[in-house]
Amino acid sequence: GESVGLHLPTLSVQEGDNSIINCAYSNSASDYFIWYKQESGKGPQFIIDIRSNMDKRQGQRVTVLLNKTVKHLSLQIAATQPGDSAVYFCAEIKNTGFQKLVFGTGTRLLVSP
Amino acid sequence: EPEVTQTPSHQVTQMGQEVILRCVPISNHLYFYWYRQILGQKVEFLVSFYNNEISEKSEIFDDQFSVERPDGSNFTLKIRSTKLEDSAMYFCASSEEFLGGETQYFGPGTRLLVL
Repeated sequence: GESVGLHLPTLSVQEGDNSIINCAYSNSASDYFIWYKQESGKGPQFIIDIRSNMDKRQGQRVTVLLNKTVKHLSLQIAATQPGDSAVYFCAEIKNTGFQKLVFGTGTRLLVSP
Repeated sequence: EPEVTQTPSHQVTQMGQEVILRCVPISNHLYFYWYRQILGQKVEFLVSFYNNEISEKSEIFDDQFSVERPDGSNFTLKIRSTKLEDSAMYFCASSEEFLGGETQYFGPGTRLLVL
């Protein structure tokens, strides 16, 4: 069945460190992936996306890597700041003609000053 | 920057009562969605809506649920007879296109508490 899972429920880092959040997905038919950030009491906020025909995509301080061979997705945050503290979800869309997002369970990132 | 808005932010209701959650998607978006998040759990898809009809729905979206776009701006989720297990955060989302613009932008959510 469809599943998107995260390896680590909580990641604690020091301010200024680089953070890496991982995600495993099981549906090889998925062709579009999104990372969302969710702060307490708020809705998921789009961070960055990547298509299955890409291996890497960079944004401002964030990079997403996609390894289709092992069905693994990662989010790298450079120079992590206290404001980056949140729960991070990966989500996938299987391009079957619909746009249902399948979310992973989430990783909580804690950034200490 | 355009954003999805939702009202109310919080809703408390008695079991068996009807509730209507409201959303205003981003104005040029064509696809609309409802998701829910039970406390401490992941976000779950409920339903997608396009061209005034449901595109896809999950097993959660049973006959107690309905969606409507009553005018050109609002998108609503109705729960006819609420159950205790309907207590959750409900998020509305919208996206611009189907292909090439799949990114779904989420509203701040409505926290529903069923007593």
